[in-house]
Amino acid sequence: DAGITQSPRHKVTETGTPVTLRCHQTENHRYMYWYRQDPGHGLRLIHYSYGVKDTDKGEVSDGYSVSRSKTEDFLLTLESATSSQTSVYFCAISGTGTTNTGELFFGEGSRLTVL
Amino acid sequence: LAKTTQPISMDSYEGQEVNITCSHNNIATNDYITWYQQFPSQGPRFIIQGYKTKVTNEVASLFIPADRKSSTLSLPRVSLSDTAVYYCLVGARSGAGSYQLTFGKGTKLSVIP
Repeated sequence: DAGITQSPRHKVTETGTPVTLRCHQTENHRYMYWYRQDPGHGLRLIHYSYGVKDTDKGEVSDGYSVSRSKTEDFLLTLESATSSQTSVYFCAISGTGTTNTGELFFGEGSRLTVL
Repeated sequence: LAKTTQPISMDSYEGQEVNITCSHNNIATNDYITWYQQFPSQGPRFIIQGYKTKVTNEVASLFIPADRKSSTLSLPRVSLSDTAVYYCLVGARSGAGSYQLTFGKGTKLSVIP
């Protein structure tokens, strides 16, 4: 399995507090992704990165920001958490060099509850 | 961006072959088609990937017609352990050097004894 870890795995927080989720990889993959998964919606892309300091928005990026200051880490930040952001968050990695053909390797997920 | 459409759910008996079709009418020339399997409380896992015609590996086959507007995942002789959600994903290129990968809602396969 690809070396990808997410932290924290579980978090409970209150509305209005900032939250940061971390994704760490040991595979030197270029592309990293943050998804959220909710019942009835499948997996929805929040943000993704195609290199250090290179990021772009996905389909549900409002209320989220990301940063990638080094290859191995991709951070997802909720500046002011809301109850609608209660979800399971998955990080994924893909690709080496300039090639990315959609083969994603996923982390174990981070379950976030916003009260 | 290429969007995908799959059946929401399917049921099958053990030992039968299961075919799950995904529609992707707006697929781009450079896009690949990839299928994933997801069990509860786990991240999705890669099953198979193809560009055109047929691809087969040890767990599944993928059929892609010439127009590439759809694809069919075929699982031979399913067992109870194949009960999972299956996602079709079509790669999309967004901007220079980027690669946005968007999932559909998936097909929940239930295998019945």
